[in-house]
Amino acid sequence: GNSVTQMEGPVTLSEEAFLTINCTYTATGYPSLFWYVQYPGEGLQLLLKATKADDKGSNKGFEATYRKETTSFHLEKGSVQVSDSAVYFCALIPNSGYSTLTFGKGTMLLVSP
Amino acid sequence: DGGITQSPKYLFRKEGQNVTLSCEQNLNHDAMYWYRQDPGQGLRLIYYSQIVNDFQKGDIAEGYSVSREKKESFPLTVTSAQKNPTAFYLCASSMVRGTGELFFGEGSRLTVL
Repeated sequence: GNSVTQMEGPVTLSEEAFLTINCTYTATGYPSLFWYVQYPGEGLQLLLKATKADDKGSNKGFEATYRKETTSFHLEKGSVQVSDSAVYFCALIPNSGYSTLTFGKGTMLLVSP
Repeated sequence: DGGITQSPKYLFRKEGQNVTLSCEQNLNHDAMYWYRQDPGQGLRLIYYSQIVNDFQKGDIAEGYSVSREKKESFPLTVTSAQKNPTAFYLCASSMVRGTGELFFGEGSRLTVL
């Protein structure tokens, strides 16, 4: 079956530090990959996506590259802000047929001033 | 503004009572979903619907029921058969099933006393 594994949190950083949140996946075929973000007390929002190998998704200074050879989709940001404090979810959906998202367990990011 | 509205935001109920969580969308999306979120467990799919008057069980449907009588509405009933109903419930929609690009509501937190 499909699965997504994320690094456990919380990840604690100081403002302007470099961020990496690891995500690896197991899937049949070539899925599309996503990062969602959940700010405190809210629902999830789509942050970025990549639909094929070597694609780079980017948004709001965050980036992630679809690496088929390592089955990974790590989230990075060069300089985090306090406002980036949230829970980040990696997810996949198979590209074949009609299916539903499989989410990782989420990684909490805490950024201090 | 288009979006998804969940109500109530907070709900307290006694054990053994059924409760219904409301989810309404004005995005004209065909597909709608209900997820349950527990600390450290990520999101788990309860039910989803691709079209009016049709819905399918997700990974943890036991103890829950849904209906889809209108395109805009997808209410979730947490029945007394659900053994551990205290959780954060998220409703989402997508233009069609299989895109992976979901729009989420702000969630409903149910506490069973």
